[in-house]
Amino acid sequence: GAGVSQSPSNKVTEKGKDVELRCDPISGHTALYWYRQSLGQGLEFLIYFQGNSAPDKSGLPSDRFSAERTGGSVSTLTIQRTQQEDSAVYLCASSLFPGASDTQYFGPGTRLTVL
Amino acid sequence: AQKITQTQPGMFVQEKEAVTLDCTYDTSDPSYGLFWYKQPSSGEMIFLIYQGSYDQQNATEGRYSLNFQKARKSANLVISASQLGDSAMYFCAMRERAAGNKLTFGGGTRVLVKP
Repeated sequence: GAGVSQSPSNKVTEKGKDVELRCDPISGHTALYWYRQSLGQGLEFLIYFQGNSAPDKSGLPSDRFSAERTGGSVSTLTIQRTQQEDSAVYLCASSLFPGASDTQYFGPGTRLTVL
Repeated sequence: AQKITQTQPGMFVQEKEAVTLDCTYDTSDPSYGLFWYKQPSSGEMIFLIYQGSYDQQNATEGRYSLNFQKARKSANLVISASQLGDSAMYFCAMRERAAGNKLTFGGGTRVLVKP
């Protein structure tokens, strides 16, 4: 079956613009995660969804970052008023159900460049 | 303190030889899971192997095995019979039950397999 897909694969934007990043999880996976990978900070957790609710938003770096998930499926990560430090690869992952042993499967990522 | 430490930023290995990638972790949670992911130059994170904190046996998946030493808090990945396609970044990650469902990643080890 299809894996996790993300779009766009690359996004170049100007400082101050808003961007939306999309994630389509594996069909039937109830849990969805966003991570960020940057040279300086490594791989960081951003937010976790169980169904359409987000019980853990602890990794969102500022109130410019928000995310939603609809229909227990697609998720959108929105960054408002982008800054250069937002440049990174944004990775989405999904898992069948949340649990200590449940494996998270990752998408190919969206590379965001803020000029 | 770092939750996950990978002390080898990079290493070379001869094709067909085995290689061990080090990972130490820090947690007081008795229930946790340890994961290894491979990230080739294409960028996608590929799940390799999982070890639960209560598992009695070391995990194995094909050419990958995990040397789990709970008392020493280490979870080293062993790749046997290295292939050119094993050249990639390798990340060790941990999920702690008390911390929810997010993964905490180490800084990664870059492996280059020489022909």
